[in-house]
Amino acid sequence: GDSVTQMEGPVTLSEEAFLTINCTYTATGYPSLFWYVQYPGEGLQLLLKATKADDKGSNKGFEATYRKETTSFHLEKGSVQVSDSAVYFCALSKGGGSNYKLTFGKGTLLTVNP
Amino acid sequence: DTAVSQTPKYLVTQMGNDKSIKCEQNLGHDTMYWYKQDSKKFLKIMFSYNNKELIINETVPNRFSPKSPDKAHLNLHINSLELGDSAVYFCASSQNEKLFFGSGTQLSVL
Repeated sequence: GDSVTQMEGPVTLSEEAFLTINCTYTATGYPSLFWYVQYPGEGLQLLLKATKADDKGSNKGFEATYRKETTSFHLEKGSVQVSDSAVYFCALSKGGGSNYKLTFGKGTLLTVNP
Repeated sequence: DTAVSQTPKYLVTQMGNDKSIKCEQNLGHDTMYWYKQDSKKFLKIMFSYNNKELIINETVPNRFSPKSPDKAHLNLHINSLELGDSAVYFCASSQNEKLFFGSGTQLSVL
């Protein structure tokens, strides 16, 4: 079945450091790929997405590129802030309409220290 | 003006009890979901409904019974609660490949 594997956390960085969170997927067909972020005590929010190979999703300084050849969708940010501390989830979607379903990775906790 | 709201936020109860979690969305979406997040933050889909019809049931024990009285509401009833049911339960709705999550219900079974 479809699955998402992302790097184990926790990840601890200093402010302004470069961030990479690795994500790879296994799926048949052509899934869409997503990064969701969960701030403490809140539900998940969509951070960015890419719907086809070589697409780059970007938002709030975060970027990820859909790489079909390596089945990857790594999340990057050039300079993290304390406010970026959260759990980050990579996900893929299959199906459409009423059969739409997201499959999540296990999440990576990011802590950014001042 | 909360888009997806679920109640209660916290639920502490004894083993064997029956409890319900309510969810409402005011986004006009046709599809709603229940997800379970365990203590390690792993998020797994439980159910999805489309316009009051069950679409996805991911091998969840039949002690869990979702009910959708209309497309804006998806409630989750749990019978005979067990220790392993302790988790955070998230309701969500979707449109155009984007999920909108509620803020979660933390269930603790003692």
